[in-house]
Amino acid sequence: AQTVTQSQPEMSVQEAETVTLSCTYDTSESNYYLFWYKQPPSRQMILVIRQEAYKQQNATENRFSVNFQKAAKSFSLKISDSQLGDTAMYFCAFMKNGNQFYFGTGTSLTVIP
Amino acid sequence: DAMVIQNPRYQVTQFGKPVTLSCSQTLNHNVMYWYQQKSSQAPKLLFHYYDKDFNNEADTPDNFQSRRPNTSFCFLDIRSPGLGDAAMYLCATSIRGPDTQYFGPGTRLTVL
Repeated sequence: AQTVTQSQPEMSVQEAETVTLSCTYDTSESNYYLFWYKQPPSRQMILVIRQEAYKQQNATENRFSVNFQKAAKSFSLKISDSQLGDTAMYFCAFMKNGNQFYFGTGTSLTVIP
Repeated sequence: DAMVIQNPRYQVTQFGKPVTLSCSQTLNHNVMYWYQQKSSQAPKLLFHYYDKDFNNEADTPDNFQSRRPNTSFCFLDIRSPGLGDAAMYLCATSIRGPDTQYFGPGTRLTVL
């Protein structure tokens, strides 16, 4: 069975600072996809960033970047220049076999003014 | 522009009274998913459709069923809701399997 672990239930960061959210996963698959989703309070879930396991280069989307360590099965999210709008629940997710999608338990991030 | 639409946003039902939640999409995506998300927990996949092919997660209760009459619409039927079924129900779509999922705003179900 696939599991996704987010060991930090809550985190906070000062506005304009950098924060890293951790995620580890367990799988025997060699080909899979990893995602970070953001769920702001009372708003819908949106994609932050995605990574294909076969790509060695870490994905980057503006202020968001990942540190993908395939051998260690680690997929952390770095948010640079944190903004108040980054306050949300962040879910790490794993996908294999096309349609089987597994979420971690989430990290609640608060950006402090 | 709304891409994944869920109706209603809030649904109240009585214990044991059947309820149907609706999801529609304007993206023409092949895959549609239903998730259950309880307070402060991760979304849990209930089932998904790849086109007309229905895929049920092994631990999804029999009380939950789904219909996809066409590409655009997918319904979640809860035959006899219990208090434990109170949750946010999320619909999502993707073009194909290993791809980004686009989520709707969710329907919050309350069971009295």
